[in-house]
Amino acid sequence: DAGVIQSPRHEVTEMGQEVTLRCKPISGHDYLFWYRQTMMRGLELLIYFNNNVPIDDSGMPEDRFSAKMPNASFSTLKIQPSEPRDSAVYFCASSPRGSGNTDTQYFGPGTRLTVL
Amino acid sequence: RKEVEQDPGPFNVPEGATVAFNCTYSNSASQSFFWYRQDCRKEPKLLMSVYSSGNEDGRFTAQLNRASQYISLLIRDSKLSDSATYLCVVTHSGGYQKVTFGIGTKLQVIP
Repeated sequence: DAGVIQSPRHEVTEMGQEVTLRCKPISGHDYLFWYRQTMMRGLELLIYFNNNVPIDDSGMPEDRFSAKMPNASFSTLKIQPSEPRDSAVYFCASSPRGSGNTDTQYFGPGTRLTVL
Repeated sequence: RKEVEQDPGPFNVPEGATVAFNCTYSNSASQSFFWYRQDCRKEPKLLMSVYSSGNEDGRFTAQLNRASQYISLLIRDSKLSDSATYLCVVTHSGGYQKVTFGIGTKLQVIP
């Protein structure tokens, strides 16, 4: 299995631009998580899905952030408009059916976002 | 108070030393506990779960103290390859699963 796939791996954009991050979870996994990691705040859960349905989006910082999961093999995290304080590494992770527990969360390699 | 607190370090220890990290959590209803390892500029990976009775995996021992609300990770005979950041993870249910990561403790094993 290829593991969790994220694209792009690096993104540099200017303030005000729209940014779209993509994630392909491991096939057969029913849970998908989006995280953001910074030096100051560590790893923060933004939102997670179960069977393509958003379950907890309380970590989404503000309305500029949105996430979708149109099918079991694809999810996007969109930031519009982007701001310099959004600069961080964004991780996607997936988990098998029935767990939801982090003991089986598999992380993608992350997208390093820089907003100038 | 943060939900999950860790000393960010860094902990600089000589090769072969024993080192221990603690992680405290604030929610007494927390159910599951884990240690993840994250290498520099890489993604986090599960190191081990933490069970109430304590558990060991080779040189690594994890323990849970529910009364004092902390978990610990002990690494014996440190290797250079143990250098990484160790993330404490706590989950609890409030209608749905809530996952909280600690900020991580950085370990540097020096020759």
